[in-house]
Amino acid sequence: GAVVSQHPSWVICKSGTSVKIECRSLDFQATTMFWYRQFPKQSLMLMATSNEGSKATYEQGVEKDKFLINHASLTLSTLTVTSAHPEDSSFYICSAKQGTMNTEAFFGQGTRLTVV
Amino acid sequence: EDKVVQSPLSLVVHEGDTVTLNCSYEVTNFRSLLWYKQEKKAPTFLFMLTSSGIEKKSGRLSSILDKKELFSILNITATQTGDSAIYLCAVKFMDSNYQLIWGAGTKLIIKP
Repeated sequence: GAVVSQHPSWVICKSGTSVKIECRSLDFQATTMFWYRQFPKQSLMLMATSNEGSKATYEQGVEKDKFLINHASLTLSTLTVTSAHPEDSSFYICSAKQGTMNTEAFFGQGTRLTVV
Repeated sequence: EDKVVQSPLSLVVHEGDTVTLNCSYEVTNFRSLLWYKQEKKAPTFLFMLTSSGIEKKSGRLSSILDKKELFSILNITATQTGDSAIYLCAVKFMDSNYQLIWGAGTKLIIKP
């Protein structure tokens, strides 16, 4: 199956700093990437959908200025958590799909962010 | 290397059939195994399994974990077209509340 690589797997940062998470499709062109957030014992929560070369579409309640998403190429999307605070500590996961909406999405391994 | 493998990758059946989806894993410090259903957007949570041999059931869906043989199955009986989706399996580590290893998913298509 297609491989999506997410980096880093773990990151600890100080409150007030920014953190960038990368999501790469290794063997296919990802026209669409999804960013999720997961709280303990809960399902994934979709944060935003990004299409290559376009601005990301954010889900209701997700702050655009806080969670900056860039999808500048067909193999790379980045999520930057700006001015991180302890409440941003969570598990972030991306998924990528190729082609139309009917194609399946492949998930990255996820990133655990801890803000201290 | 820790990994989660789902099979089959894709499955097409007719409405009313029963399907069994498989998830095997090789993970150190296993904590629990989770099943999700993904349709158009965010995957929705189905089950979390921590102990062997205890079946979890929700309507026509059920799942069970075998920690000796390192696998789980997800059964769907009397399938309906609304069951068409990608079913994802993920394994959670013992040392963390957050980190998951995900399988690639099984794409299930139910034909009327």
